[in-house]
Amino acid sequence: GDSVTQMEGPVTLSEEAFLTINCTYTATGYPSLFWYVQYPGEGLQLLLKATKADDKGSNKGFEATYRKETTSFHLEKGSVQVSDSAVYFCAQTNFNKFYFGSGTKLNVKP
Amino acid sequence: KAGVTQTPRYLIKTRGQQVTLSCSPISGHRSVSWYQQTPGQGLQFLFEYFSETQRNKGNFPGRFSGRQFSNSRSEMNVSTLELGDSALYLCASTFQEIQETQYFGPGTRLLVL
Repeated sequence: GDSVTQMEGPVTLSEEAFLTINCTYTATGYPSLFWYVQYPGEGLQLLLKATKADDKGSNKGFEATYRKETTSFHLEKGSVQVSDSAVYFCAQTNFNKFYFGSGTKLNVKP
Repeated sequence: KAGVTQTPRYLIKTRGQQVTLSCSPISGHRSVSWYQQTPGQGLQFLFEYFSETQRNKGNFPGRFSGRQFSNSRSEMNVSTLELGDSALYLCASTFQEIQETQYFGPGTRLLVL
């Protein structure tokens, strides 16, 4: 069935380090792909999305490219900040259902 | 435009009781989805309502139910609470289709004792 798999956390980085959080999906058809972020005590917020193969979503310095050949949607940021500390969720939507990955906690140390 | 609101924010219940949670979507949004978030299972889709009809459903037992009113506000109900129902319950709304960007509320944290 349809699913999303993302790398286990927590991921701990120093400020200004490069970030990659891996995400792969399994889907029939052509899903839309999303990255959501959850800050402590809050609901999820959309970070970026891509709706078709080779699309690149970007926001606040974060980027992810929809790779159909590798069924991946890895999240990257060139230089993380302490304020980026949060839980990141990869998700797909297909046939009117939403599937989330298990979440990856990012800790950024000053 | 006001965001998605959920009430109450925190709730403590005992096993066997029932609970009703409320969600008010963004004005103009007609689709409301509910999710259960737990440390062990992550974020799991409960159901989605559109125009007062349940349009999609996840794999949860019948103790979990919901409804949507004509103003798009939605409620979910859990009957005969179990300890494992302790979770953060998130509501999300979209304008029309679940494939669109979902806007999440802050959640209701339910603790079952």
